[in-house]
Amino acid sequence: QKEVEQDPGPLSVPEGAIVSLNCTYSNSAFQYFMWYRQYSRKGPELLMYTYSSGNKEDGRFTAQVDKSSKYISLFIRDSQPSDSATYLCAMSGLAGGTSYGKLTFGQGTILTVHP
Amino acid sequence: SAVISQKPSRDICQRGTSLTIQCQVDSQVTMMFWYRQQPGQSLTLIATANQGSEATYESGFVIDKFPISRPNLTFSTLTVSNMSPEDSSIYLCSVARTAYNEQFFGPGTRLTVL
Repeated sequence: QKEVEQDPGPLSVPEGAIVSLNCTYSNSAFQYFMWYRQYSRKGPELLMYTYSSGNKEDGRFTAQVDKSSKYISLFIRDSQPSDSATYLCAMSGLAGGTSYGKLTFGQGTILTVHP
Repeated sequence: SAVISQKPSRDICQRGTSLTIQCQVDSQVTMMFWYRQQPGQSLTLIATANQGSEATYESGFVIDKFPISRPNLTFSTLTVSNMSPEDSSIYLCSVARTAYNEQFFGPGTRLTVL
């Protein structure tokens, strides 16, 4: 079993839709949770960064972390064609732990927002 | 965030040769990492580049195959040695200013081995 599981999709939605992207994980040492967006032939771009459980909002993006369920989500409101990309979840552990500083990535979800 | 550049952006190499990839950051950073992204796959950490000391490699990656240097806080190199077609991949460096794990990625080096 992989440490981080992410549905690869592909996911296709109409412009303006609310998009929900999810990851589950098995390593309880993970404390830092990130979402990256990767356009074709580009490096990953950090979208959201959260520590431990809770919600974080930034514009049209909301990240949720539920450590009790080992489940994280990224919501995109009012999706735009420019949001079409691969979305990667990533996570790492606390200082001093073996996973500290090392990002473990999900497989990535390919999202297409069509006009 | 940080401005990160990588050279070369892409290369096509022959089997058995070696390629050195450079990663340059516009300001000093605490941590630098090297990742590999194989075609259609997610990112896998190769090693942590430590300034002034040997890199820390992840399981499945060895120094003889992927020697890494980090002479200062803004620059690192990754060499892919004795290449085979299985090494065809995108190689990415990432950096973190602090120990709190926000990592920013370079644009990547797309390597094809024939």
